[in-house]
Amino acid sequence: NAGVTQTPKFRILKIGQSMTLQCTQDMNHNYMYWYRQDPGMGLKLIYYSVGAGITDKGEVPNGYNVSRSTTEDFPLRLELAAPSQTSVYFCASRFPGLAGGPYSTDTQYFGPGTRLTVL
Amino acid sequence: DAKTTQPPSMDCAEGRAANLPCNHSTISGNEYVYWYRQIHSQGPQYIIHGLKNNETNEMASLIITEDRKSSTLILPHATLRDTAVYYCIVRSTNAGGTSYGKLTFGQGTILTVHP
Repeated sequence: NAGVTQTPKFRILKIGQSMTLQCTQDMNHNYMYWYRQDPGMGLKLIYYSVGAGITDKGEVPNGYNVSRSTTEDFPLRLELAAPSQTSVYFCASRFPGLAGGPYSTDTQYFGPGTRLTVL
Repeated sequence: DAKTTQPPSMDCAEGRAANLPCNHSTISGNEYVYWYRQIHSQGPQYIIHGLKNNETNEMASLIITEDRKSSTLILPHATLRDTAVYYCIVRSTNAGGTSYGKLTFGQGTILTVHP
């Protein structure tokens, strides 16, 4: 299994440009997440999805959109890039088991990240 | 989900045990303690989790106090590759519903393992 893959690894955008960050997982996980991480800070949740066709907002959704047409893919769209969106973006997935216990399936698996700079 | 408090940084000599503390004084009965780590420029990696009993796996041990208000992650023989930011996260067993499995990351502890 490749796990969670993200493309591109790096990208520089000009203000007002748009782009899509790709995320794919091959573990048949229903739950998928997009986080952003600003320098020296922890991760903040942007959007999440509990299955194909179902998405919802996280803590910091403004300026982003998502779609989930398949179980495997969860792209993140930036429509009008702004300098405040300069960050590292991580995608994650997990199986929708209940938390807890030594055999919990609640672990989230993260991709390697996309480093985005908006100038 | 309960808030956690961790020291901003710690040092450890290679080969020695690294003990990373975490305070979670407002933890409730159905909340688990999770530990993730993030090696520089990589995505976070799951380490271990527990409810009230001590837990051990191939990566680490987790010691949770009897009142569950604090815990310690132990890396028994730290190596240079264990240098990373370590996050202690407390979250509900309600993996679906309103918590939707969200992980709330604080700023974590920067562990530096030196030769």
